[in-house]
Order: sequence, then C-alpha cells, then structure tokens
Amino acid sequence: KAGVTQTPRYLIKTRGQQVTLSCSPISGHRSVSWYQQTPGQGLQFLFEYFSETQRNKGNFPGRFSGRQFSNSRSEMNVSTLELGDSALYLCASSLRGDSNQPQHFGDGTRLSIL
Amino acid sequence: GDSVTQMEGPVTLSEEAFLTINCTYTATGYPSLFWYVQYPGEGLQLLLKATKADDKGSNKGFEATYRKETTSFHLEKGSVQVSDSAVYFCALTPISSGSARQLTFGSGTQLTVLP
Repeated sequence: KAGVTQTPRYLIKTRGQQVTLSCSPISGHRSVSWYQQTPGQGLQFLFEYFSETQRNKGNFPGRFSGRQFSNSRSEMNVSTLELGDSALYLCASSLRGDSNQPQHFGDGTRLSIL
Repeated sequence: GDSVTQMEGPVTLSEEAFLTINCTYTATGYPSLFWYVQYPGEGLQLLLKATKADDKGSNKGFEATYRKETTSFHLEKGSVQVSDSAVYFCALTPISSGSARQLTFGSGTQLTVLP
C-alpha cells in the first residue's frame, strides 16, 4: 500500500513569492493534516481537512491556506513568503480523523526562502 | 491548552544499553498518546500508541505505558541498536466531541547509539 506522497521534496523560493505544496494521502484516508517543522518552534499544526472541509486550524497567519479535493488529495499554499517560512512541511493522513487513529506522515517538502 | 514535555536531549548510549525517554503531558480528559520517530531526511513514522489509561503500546522492542495518575508516557527499550539512532517525538491528540483533532508534539529527543 503506497504511503503518503508529498511533492516536491525540495523548493527554493525568494521573499514575496508564493508556493503551493501537494499531498496525496494513503488510499482510503479522508483526513489530511499539515504541520510545519522548524528547529526553533518544533512541530506545529497548520490545519486539517476532511471531506474537502477545513475542520481545524492552527495559529498561523492567513498567508497560509489549504484545500482538499474530492479524491482527498490536498494542497497548501503560502503567499508573500517570508524568511521565517523556511521549514519542513509535513502532511499526514488518517482514515477518518478520529482522535485514536494514528496519523501517517509523508517525507515532507523542505522549503527554503532566500 | 494541551502540551507535551519531553526530556531534553541529546541522548548518547552504547549499543545494547537500556533506553528511557521521559514524556509527560497536560491535557483535558483522556487523550490518545503516541510516540513517533524521525530518521534523517525523512518524515515521522508512528512507533507506538496507547488510547486509554494503563494501555501499553509496543513495537520493535520499544514500549510505553499510558499512566493517567502521573500523566506520563515514557518510552523504553531494553537493548538499543545503532539503527535506533533518530529523533523521537512524544505526541497527543485530545478527545473531543467532534472528530477534528490535531497532534500536539513534544520538542523531540535526539538519540545517538554508538557501536
């Protein structure tokens, strides 16, 4: 069974640009969550989608947005990039998003802002 | 809000040594608890989980017991191997009436096992 797939693996952007990251969940999984990982702040929750609806959002500015498609694939978008947005962005999927179900992570997209 | 506190790293052990990584949490009710492991250049892999008090999660020789009375979920392994070198994260998800939830992570503990 294929795992969570994130593309691209690496991205280099400059300040002020925007970027879109993609995540394909495990087949049959309907809940997709996004996390930001940085050395300073650790792992922080961005948002969660289920059946194309955002159900939960972390404490990030409106420059961070996402969406989920009918096939459960998800994208996140960051506009007006800042140096502090440099991070590893991780996507995770689970069957229904119930709290006792583990989330399965992809290998992440490493975003570098110059 | 919910929080997870892990022992500070890095931790360096010799092969076959006993491992303990402490994890305590603050949360309302009975959260689900998880240990994840991250190898260099990779995402997080679920190591084990426990969803109610006194549950013991185990996998690949690692164990952790959900202790409600001490709000702890310490990770242990009796004999570590060089291949166990990685960063270990303790995490929780809250119990909520809706099914929307998020993982709250500890800061991670870097483990290095020397041959």
